[in-house]
Amino acid sequence: QQQVKQSPQSLIVQKGGISIINCAYENTAFDYFPWYQQFPGKGPALLIAIRPDVSEKKEGRFTISFNKSAKQFSLHIMDSQPGDSATYFCAASTDSGGGADGLTFGKGTHLIIQP
Amino acid sequence: DAGVIQSPRHEVTEMGQEVTLRCKPISGHDYLFWYRQTMMRGLELLIYFNNNVPIDDSGMPEDRFSAKMPNASFSTLKIQPSEPRDSAVYFCASSFDGNYEQYFGPGTRLTVT
Repeated sequence: QQQVKQSPQSLIVQKGGISIINCAYENTAFDYFPWYQQFPGKGPALLIAIRPDVSEKKEGRFTISFNKSAKQFSLHIMDSQPGDSATYFCAASTDSGGGADGLTFGKGTHLIIQP
Repeated sequence: DAGVIQSPRHEVTEMGQEVTLRCKPISGHDYLFWYRQTMMRGLELLIYFNNNVPIDDSGMPEDRFSAKMPNASFSTLKIQPSEPRDSAVYFCASSFDGNYEQYFGPGTRLTVT
């Protein structure tokens, strides 16, 4: 059972455009939703994260939109740059009582920004 | 801080051999996670520790896999005997109590022939 569904699998965006990646979850106990960026040969790196008590979080060119009732969240990359070309993963976890449990990841989106 | 350190970075072994992957978490972090990444299954949680104690090992695929954390600065993931289907990139990540942010190491690419 896939608990976090991510789409699209791949995405091509022109430089300067907006990249949008979507995720949907099933487990209503999830209360932490991060996005990770991964370059080839590297480990995933935390990009931005959101808790369900807010509907949007923005950090620079990166924005998470969160819809608790629909159990969906998305990543928007504004003014996309060739250096943003990478694989992006959404994830979710529950609260173990002090820190997060292990992350449940989406399958990833391979993003290519064309110059 | 040097970040999460994993060794070796690459491991090639023959089916049936024992494989040991190593991880040093970020100093001061008391949560340690082991993940596996494959094309077919994506990133999967295998096991995680809090204060050196295993909390959830439900993701460990079978008895051939075992993990230990003898102290706060070192963890191992062992596969014995290894099989070709164990070929994957294995990541270690750490975080500290009260903070959900997990920091990943560079991974160990394991190839079992």
